[in-house]
Amino acid sequence: GAGVSQTPSNKVTEKGKYVELRCDPISGHTALYWYRQSLGQGPEFLIYFQGTGAADDSGLPNDRFFAVRPEGSVSTLKIQRTERGDSAVYLCASSPPGTRNTGELFFGEGSRLTVL
Amino acid sequence: TQLLEQSPQFLSIQEGENLTVYCNSSSVFSSLQWYRQEPGEGPVLLVTVVTGGEVKKLKRLTFQFGDARKDSSLHITAAQPGDTGLYLCAGAAWGAQKLVFGQGTRLTINP
Repeated sequence: GAGVSQTPSNKVTEKGKYVELRCDPISGHTALYWYRQSLGQGPEFLIYFQGTGAADDSGLPNDRFFAVRPEGSVSTLKIQRTERGDSAVYLCASSPPGTRNTGELFFGEGSRLTVL
Repeated sequence: TQLLEQSPQFLSIQEGENLTVYCNSSSVFSSLQWYRQEPGEGPVLLVTVVTGGEVKKLKRLTFQFGDARKDSSLHITAAQPGDTGLYLCAGAAWGAQKLVFGQGTRLTINP
């Protein structure tokens, strides 16, 4: 597809479990972002990749959260020992090269995580 | 930490009315963007403003970036039910790649 693809679209898990959320960005987009959106709130920045490296991970709430982008394309957000407070929609976005500061973010539809 | 405050958080008006949504911060941004988000979907960019005092128009929508680059407004003329959605402002600090989002304004236009 032409857009940002996120899987799964919905994930229900139990407290304490491990989850992985996948993001496949638009082909050719070098920058990839993860955001978290709680009900009734705006997206909250988690981490930003430029190529394979995490250029800014200042938004990760704690060490239970980790993200990788080993080949500079697909990214996986990993959450260990999930807590009920982790329940949210996790949004992935990508942007093309050469668009620092003013570039448009292209978002996927998100992965809705529910921790019971 | 840079914060963007949007007001109002909720707005419900009748079709044909005009409205303005505000996005304010104590921080200066290099650029500011407005997105619209519908249920079950990711935000979609409406406009980017980069120059203090800049005004951009998109059909019935008018966007303005404050002279001091700390605030922005979105004005909709003759609102239609299709304008219903969550409107988000997002700012980029100088030299930073990440966008900081406001909490959003949920707009409902009633027929």
